[in-house]
Amino acid sequence: KAGVTQTPRYLIKTRGQQVTLSCSPISGHRSVSWYQQTPGQGLQFLFEYFSETQRNKGNFPGRFSGRQFSNSRSEMNVSTLELGDSALYLCASSPQPGQQETQYFGPGTRLLVL
Amino acid sequence: QQQVKQSPQSLIVQKGGISIINCAYENTAFDYFPWYQQFPGKGPALLIAIRPDVSEKKEGRFTISFNKSAKQFSLHIMDSQPGDSATYFCAASPTGGNKLTFGTGTQLKVEL
Repeated sequence: KAGVTQTPRYLIKTRGQQVTLSCSPISGHRSVSWYQQTPGQGLQFLFEYFSETQRNKGNFPGRFSGRQFSNSRSEMNVSTLELGDSALYLCASSPQPGQQETQYFGPGTRLLVL
Repeated sequence: QQQVKQSPQSLIVQKGGISIINCAYENTAFDYFPWYQQFPGKGPALLIAIRPDVSEKKEGRFTISFNKSAKQFSLHIMDSQPGDSATYFCAASPTGGNKLTFGTGTQLKVEL
């Protein structure tokens, strides 16, 4: 079974631009969560989606948004990029919410904002 | 109340030794406590996890000890190997959701 796939793996943007990151969950997984990982703040929860609905949202500004499609694939968008948005963005999937033991992370998308 | 505090920040252990990493939490709604292992350039991988109804869980060389009254849990890596050199994160999650609150990470180096 293929793991969580994230595209692109690396991305360079400039301040003020916007970016869209994609996550394809493990086949059969319908819950997708996003995390931001930085050296300073560590791993921080962004949002969780299930059945195309946002179930939970972390403490990030409104520039960070996401969505989930009917095939469970998810995208997150960051508008008006700031230097501090440079990070590794991780996606995790599980069959359903609450099944944390079967939640798996993807390799991440490394975003560099110049 | 959402914090998970992790220590130490870094750890150097000799091959064959025991690595111990500690975490403490505040939110009593947490009921799932996993440990993740992360290698450079990779996403975190679930190593072992515990729920509050047991005080200890062992899987191979990895053991979680859980103290509900103290709101603390720890990871013990027995017979540490150079291949265990990685960053380890503790985390916690409440019932019914997948939102993980992570500790700040411990960079483990196992020396020959």
